[in-house]
Amino acid sequence: QQQVKQSPQSLIVQKGGISIINCAYENTAFDYFPWYQQFPGKGPALLIAIRPDVSEKKEGRFTISFNKSAKQFSLHIMDSQPGDSATYFCAATLNSGYSTLTFGKGTMLLVSP
Amino acid sequence: DGGITQSPKYLFRKEGQNVTLSCEQNLNHDAMYWYRQDPGQGLRLIYYSQIVNDFQKGDIAEGYSVSREKKESFPLTVTSAQKNPTAFYLCASSIKGQFNTGELFFGEGSRLTVL
Repeated sequence: QQQVKQSPQSLIVQKGGISIINCAYENTAFDYFPWYQQFPGKGPALLIAIRPDVSEKKEGRFTISFNKSAKQFSLHIMDSQPGDSATYFCAATLNSGYSTLTFGKGTMLLVSP
Repeated sequence: DGGITQSPKYLFRKEGQNVTLSCEQNLNHDAMYWYRQDPGQGLRLIYYSQIVNDFQKGDIAEGYSVSREKKESFPLTVTSAQKNPTAFYLCASSIKGQFNTGELFFGEGSRLTVL
């Protein structure tokens, strides 16, 4: 019940294309959904996050779409650039009490020039 | 600059030896965490601490130990009891647990290889 399933495991997109990474969760009590971006040899960093009271959140070229009824959320990277090549992790947690993040297994994105 | 410093960046260990990974933060964060990252496995929580002198086991605590004697320091010891210790270890911190903002601040990691 605590799992977050992420797909695909790896993704190759041409420069200028749209990268889409999907996540599904099981625990209906989850109410905070962040995405982390990790470059090789570095620690992850928060990219964007959403709460379930909205269906979409956009920050620059990055958009999270959230479907509460389907228990799914996705990251869209518009106009993908080679500098976006990284590993992306979705995560989920409870936004109250004492809860730790549950991470997906990650998606390795390569944006070809 | 504020941040999290992990050391060493690379570490080699012989089987049967204990090794301690250092994690120091100057962000004045209350909570600190240790994660293990393996290819295709994502980030798995080893231990976390929300306050000095207190810590809790995460999902994969067996074979690891921690201490939290100071707010800014959270060292991780990988003991000889850990069956498969070769991995990339990440330390993180956050403000008063994850539930406030959900944002974790990560160090650059320590790569441990057991020979």
